[in-house]
Amino acid sequence: GQSLEQPSEVTAVEGAIVQINCTYQTSGFYGLSWYQQHDGGAPTFLSYNALDGLEETGRFSSFLSRSDSYGYLLLQELQMKDSASYFCALSGGSYIPTFGRGTSLIVHP
Amino acid sequence: EPEVTQTPSHQVTQMGQEVILRCVPISNHLYFYWYRQILGQKVEFLVSFYNNEISEKSEIFDDQFSVERPDGSNFTLKIRSTKLEDSAMYFCASSESEGDTSPLHFGNGTRLTVT
Repeated sequence: GQSLEQPSEVTAVEGAIVQINCTYQTSGFYGLSWYQQHDGGAPTFLSYNALDGLEETGRFSSFLSRSDSYGYLLLQELQMKDSASYFCALSGGSYIPTFGRGTSLIVHP
Repeated sequence: EPEVTQTPSHQVTQMGQEVILRCVPISNHLYFYWYRQILGQKVEFLVSFYNNEISEKSEIFDDQFSVERPDGSNFTLKIRSTKLEDSAMYFCASSESEGDTSPLHFGNGTRLTVT
């Protein structure tokens, strides 16, 4: 089977940098994705890592270490609108992502 | 930007009744999915659909569930005899292809309340 672990909540101040970690267990591996969800709305794709290293997309970056079964999402120059839930999602036995429980990010002014 | 649309946004039904949740995926996408999210919990995979047949399904997707693509645009999830524990937000998603260059695009969801 597959399992993912991520913190339930992270708080940070506007303008700061925050890192949301994700560890996983799986027998197969295609990639690790990150999705953002505001107030129970549609999850929105942020980033995908299939290989080790850092992927950068604007203020958001995602990192993967397959040997450590670990990844993180890095959010820079935090804005109030970044307050949301962030899910890591593992494509293990197939390309279909299995979502973690999500991390609620609270950005304070 | 093209988007996945879902109807209705909210459905209330009595236990034991059948419900059909509807989705219109993005027009050039070939892979379709249903996920559900019980309030405050994780997004759970139900089923994927490609080339007019189910390609994968989870343990949650038992005999009370079925999916159909009745025409060239709609993709439906039917729950035959709803139970209280089926109350959740149901998300439809689509992707252009299968693989790491093809993220899932989600609709805004249908909130199903079973009373």
